[in-house]
Amino acid sequence: GDSVTQMEGPVTLSEEAFLTINCTYTATGYPSLFWYVQYPGEGLQLLLKATKADDKGSNKGFEATYRKETTSFHLEKGSVQVSDSAVYFCALIRAGNNRKLIWGLGTSLAVNP
Amino acid sequence: GAGVSQTPSNKVTEKGKYVELRCDPISGHTALYWYRQSLGQGPEFLIYFQGTGAADDSGLPNDRFFAVRPEGSVSTLKIQRTERGDSAVYLCASTQGGTRNTGELFFGEGSRLTVL
Repeated sequence: GDSVTQMEGPVTLSEEAFLTINCTYTATGYPSLFWYVQYPGEGLQLLLKATKADDKGSNKGFEATYRKETTSFHLEKGSVQVSDSAVYFCALIRAGNNRKLIWGLGTSLAVNP
Repeated sequence: GAGVSQTPSNKVTEKGKYVELRCDPISGHTALYWYRQSLGQGPEFLIYFQGTGAADDSGLPNDRFFAVRPEGSVSTLKIQRTERGDSAVYLCASTQGGTRNTGELFFGEGSRLTVL
């Protein structure tokens, strides 16, 4: 069945460091791909998305490119801030009528000043 | 309201008791999802409504769990004979339905259930 695999955390970085959180997926058809973020004490919210191959989603300095050939959607940011400390979830939604999101387990990021 | 509202935010109950968790979605959103999340885990799918009907309830773990959405807006997740393993944060999310469902879900802040 469809699945999402993301790198295990926790990830600890210093401020202004480069961030990569790997995400790969298995899915039939052409899913849409998402990164959601959960800040401490807050609900999940969409960070960015891509709906087709080679699309790049971007928001708040974060980017991820939908790579169908490697079935990946890695999250990157060139210079992290303390305020980026959160848990990041990669997810996919199937094409078709069943709009159930499939989630990765989440990667915790801590950014130190 | 502007966002998805879930009540109660915290619920502590004893093993064997009955619990109801409520979700008030964003106005106009016809798709509604229930997930639960345990510490250090991703959201676990429970059920997905399109309008009043359950489009996919394959994630409900057993027959102690039931959810309704009688008027296509507010939804209630009902848990009978609660067990300690039911302790988790129960998340509700809504979005536009049908062909406008792009997968961008709007989440509430969750209801934390603790079963003693």
